[in-house]
Amino acid sequence: DTAVSQTPKYLVTQMGNDKSIKCEQNLGHDTMYWYKQDSKKFLKIMFSYNNKELIINETVPNRFSPKSPDKAHLNLHINSLELGDSAVYFCASSPPDSIRYFGPGTRLTVT
Amino acid sequence: GNSVTQMEGPVTLSEEAFLTINCTYTATGYPSLFWYVQYPGEGLQLLLKATKADDKGSNKGFEATYRKETTSFHLEKGSVQVSDSAVYFCALTSNSGNTPLVFGKGTRLSVIA
Repeated sequence: DTAVSQTPKYLVTQMGNDKSIKCEQNLGHDTMYWYKQDSKKFLKIMFSYNNKELIINETVPNRFSPKSPDKAHLNLHINSLELGDSAVYFCASSPPDSIRYFGPGTRLTVT
Repeated sequence: GNSVTQMEGPVTLSEEAFLTINCTYTATGYPSLFWYVQYPGEGLQLLLKATKADDKGSNKGFEATYRKETTSFHLEKGSVQVSDSAVYFCALTSNSGNTPLVFGKGTRLSVIA
């Protein structure tokens, strides 16, 4: 059984396009996250949602908009994609004890 | 603010060698400490954790001890295998509310037969 799933696994698109990445967790966790991992493997938190409410919004361009239709889903929509957006994006969820459960990642390539 | 510093890689070892990956942290209060592992092409998985001083986390032959006096959480394994080749991330979070998990920059380990 998949705990945290993301789609698509790979996404190749051109500059200026708008794209979405979907995330679902079946663990019953209240908190979900989006992380960005750059080419040097550095991981940075982008957003955190708790029970569909935005808790953390790091300094991310407003072209990035998370949407949480329910507690089990946190989707990431990106407008006007730029070359620098190329990265691997990880969704995660966690119970109150702080352990993060990560999805398999979405490799976004902007050409 | 909270931060994590871990040794830069890459680290290349022969099979059965001893592994140490250093990790030190800066945090207010008493954070929880974690090691995550990322195998090639996969997401991060929790390897081990420790939530208070002198706790030792262990899993799959890996160990790390929460040392408050040296603000460290070094990862060790007595005998590495080729299958341990991965990127290892040290991380911490404060135990107050919805604070973010702060990661180190990751250390790539390659184990050769």
